[in-house]
Amino acid sequence: DTAVSQTPKYLVTQMGNDKSIKCEQNLGHDTMYWYKQDSKKFLKIMFSYNNKELIINETVPNRFSPKSPDKAHLNLHINSLELGDSAVYFCASSQHREFTDTQYFGPGTRLTVL
Amino acid sequence: GESVGLHLPTLSVQEGDNSIINCAYSNSASDYFIWYKQESGKGPQFIIDIRSNMDKRQGQRVTVLLNKTVKHLSLQIAATQPGDSAVYFCAETRTGNTGKLIFGQGTTLQVKP
Repeated sequence: DTAVSQTPKYLVTQMGNDKSIKCEQNLGHDTMYWYKQDSKKFLKIMFSYNNKELIINETVPNRFSPKSPDKAHLNLHINSLELGDSAVYFCASSQHREFTDTQYFGPGTRLTVL
Repeated sequence: GESVGLHLPTLSVQEGDNSIINCAYSNSASDYFIWYKQESGKGPQFIIDIRSNMDKRQGQRVTVLLNKTVKHLSLQIAATQPGDSAVYFCAETRTGNTGKLIFGQGTTLQVKP
């Protein structure tokens, strides 16, 4: 049973396209996150939702728009893809929004923009 | 600005030896630290955490040490095994940060048979 799942695992697309990455967690957690990991493995938080409410919104281009239809799902939509968006995107979840709550990560989605 | 960094990008150890992975952080307000392990092609996985009111915490084959004076923490892995080969990240956060983790650059641990 996968705790945090993401689809697709790989995504190859052309510059200028719009794409979405989906995330689902079956842990019953309240809080979900999106992280971006660049080619040097640097991992940086992008967004966080708690019970469908946006609570963290880092300095991310507004081409990136997260959407949380319910607390078990957090999708990431990216408009007008650019070369620099190529990275691995990780979804994560935690029980609540407390700073000490362990975050559980999904397997990642490798996005390649050509 | 705040940052969490690691001293070495790659650490190579012999199977059975102990490994020590280091991390330096810059924000003295940080009061909660976590180590994550990321195997190739997978997401980061929680290993162990420590709060700033502690100097040491032990888990199964792993120990985290925290030195607040010099803003340094380390992860010690006893009797390193091939399955320990991965990238290790330290991360920090602080009270009131609502889950915003600041990750370090990562250290690649290679275990030689």
